[in-house]
Amino acid sequence: DSGVTQTPKHLITATGQRVTLRCSPRSGDLSVYWYQQSLDQGLQFLIQYYNGEERAKGNILERFSAQQFPDLHSELNLSSLELGDSALYFCASSVQSSGNTIYFGEGSWLTVV
Amino acid sequence: ILNVEQSPQSLHVQEGDSTNFTCSFPSSNFYALHWYRWETAKSPEALFVMTLNGDEKKKGRISATLNTKEGYSYLYIKGSQPEDSATYLCAFKGSGNTPLVFGKGTRLSVIA
Repeated sequence: DSGVTQTPKHLITATGQRVTLRCSPRSGDLSVYWYQQSLDQGLQFLIQYYNGEERAKGNILERFSAQQFPDLHSELNLSSLELGDSALYFCASSVQSSGNTIYFGEGSWLTVV
Repeated sequence: ILNVEQSPQSLHVQEGDSTNFTCSFPSSNFYALHWYRWETAKSPEALFVMTLNGDEKKKGRISATLNTKEGYSYLYIKGSQPEDSATYLCAFKGSGNTPLVFGKGTRLSVIA
């Protein structure tokens, strides 16, 4: 158990819908990362927050947004869902922002039908 | 576009064999190189974080080396066991506010 908690573990939704994925980082970790794992793709970086502020942004679609709250938990919002958004979404956390080991949650499986 | 390449894509070895895989990354703006182990139905777990050229890290039968000048790292597994079967990911961290970029991984299957 890494200490990073993600909910829900599995989610099935229809195209055009909106979902929110939630992440609670390890106790004491200030940095939260979101990654997308699609079929035949590596872990694609979406976005990173550090202590409530956006720190780095990857190829995150405009339909996707995220935030980190004062209690350091984070949410990833996915809207106008398409079939291609079906993937495993990982949240990870680390103590600081640079170079440290990051600890992964178990992921949220999103299936868009 | 930052490229982190891992080879081979997959590998099948017999129990007891020693094996190694490669991670290639940009040789400029280097900050750290990570290795993770990802078992099916679990989340990736950190093996090593290396920051200095020439670094060597070891954990049990698994070790890693780092060459930042030429942009590669090797992961070695000595005497492979079936429980070593997993996908091994490397990730490059550049300097500044840059993300941790992962390779696609090497999938290792150890046959008893």
